[in-house]
Amino acid sequence: GESVGLHLPTLSVQEGDNSIINCAYSNSASDYFIWYKQESGKGPQFIIDIRSNMDKRQGQRVTVLLNKTVKHLSLQIAATQPGDSAVYFCAETVDSGGGADGLTFGKGTHLIIQP
Amino acid sequence: NAGVTQTPKFRVLKTGQSMTLLCAQDMNHEYMYWYRQDPGMGLRLIHYSVGEGTTAKGEVPDGYNVSRLKKQNFLLGLESAAPSQTSVYFCASSRQGADSPLHFGNGTRLTVT
Repeated sequence: GESVGLHLPTLSVQEGDNSIINCAYSNSASDYFIWYKQESGKGPQFIIDIRSNMDKRQGQRVTVLLNKTVKHLSLQIAATQPGDSAVYFCAETVDSGGGADGLTFGKGTHLIIQP
Repeated sequence: NAGVTQTPKFRVLKTGQSMTLLCAQDMNHEYMYWYRQDPGMGLRLIHYSVGEGTTAKGEVPDGYNVSRLKKQNFLLGLESAAPSQTSVYFCASSRQGADSPLHFGNGTRLTVT
């Protein structure tokens, strides 16, 4: 079954506000997590990743938070812009020595930016 | 640097026809993957390769075959297309295994009638 999921299929935010996209995972052994952004008609694009030895990681306008206690992952986008409109996927894997088939994707959250 | 390039971008097949989807990457990545994306299903792994000359089955391999004769290319074949194979197919590559970021192509939209 699906081991990585998202709380909301669609999230609508006002331009300039902060966005928070959530993801729950069920495999407590997962130790590497990634967020991807997929724009219409394009392939997923890597945004940010985090390993299980960290709780927080920041990039440019994005922050990923990992709560291993409740198996929850979130992506925060600061000052949301029209270009942030896309579907966001979380993915997880267990670092099994380079296991290439271990990546599990969630179903995605569609982020809609209101002007 | 083109990254990951997929051809063709669109294709319509009739049931029973065959075709090959081509994926090429110019990043010298060892690992390559084929995924399919269906509405409400997310991305599902079809086959993958950990290096030139190797292939392995993913989550949904039935009805597909792959080959990795050259490090930069990963081919996905459908020998006898079925309507259930209507989907968007994405190729991806990574420097090492699934615990490093995947770089995706822009997909091939396949319709089987």
